[in-house]
Amino acid sequence: GEDVEQSLFLSVREGDSSVINCTYTDSSSTYLYWYKQEPGAGLQLLTYIFSNMDMKQDQRLTVLLNKKDKHLSLRIADTQTGDSAIYFCAEDANAGNMLTFGGGTRLMVKP
Amino acid sequence: SQTIHQWPATLVQPVGSPLSLECTVEGTSNPNLYWYRQAAGRGLQLLFYSVGIGQISSEVPQNLSASRPQDRQFILSSKKLLLSDSGFYLCAYGTVGGGGYTFGSGTRLTVV
Repeated sequence: GEDVEQSLFLSVREGDSSVINCTYTDSSSTYLYWYKQEPGAGLQLLTYIFSNMDMKQDQRLTVLLNKKDKHLSLRIADTQTGDSAIYFCAEDANAGNMLTFGGGTRLMVKP
Repeated sequence: SQTIHQWPATLVQPVGSPLSLECTVEGTSNPNLYWYRQAAGRGLQLLFYSVGIGQISSEVPQNLSASRPQDRQFILSSKKLLLSDSGFYLCAYGTVGGGGYTFGSGTRLTVV
């Protein structure tokens, strides 16, 4: 079955890099996603990566995909207090009609 | 452009009262629609999804129901709320091929 796992919590200091990790099980996933949820808000799509890519960079965000190990990571460079949020990774399954979400990683950025 | 509207933003309801949360989508036709619930600080639980008008799939047995009376309207209902129905409810629509899901802003439901 499909399962997506993330660590629950990450704490970093402002200005440091953050790395949020995710493992998934569905090898047929086409796209993998990272969402950000700020307190009391819905989920916002941050970035996604196509499964035939190893890396995608978008300003301070770098997504790394190791398809062999089914491991996805999100690196946030120069982490700011505004980056404090819950981050969810997700994989698509069932021909893209359904996303499976991880449990979310709460990122706390200390000044 | 595509947008999703969800209301109300917050709701406090007594135990045993009915519930109706509404979600509407603009700018897209025949979207897949989803209702999720999120307990405080926790992950997402898929409640219902719909691939078309009148087509509802339920992921977990519960005190809630969903309906899709129009292509871009998705409603979450309950006849009698329980304390355990409290949570943060999120509506989303999906696009195939890299678009992922777009989420509404959520409804914070507190059953007292």
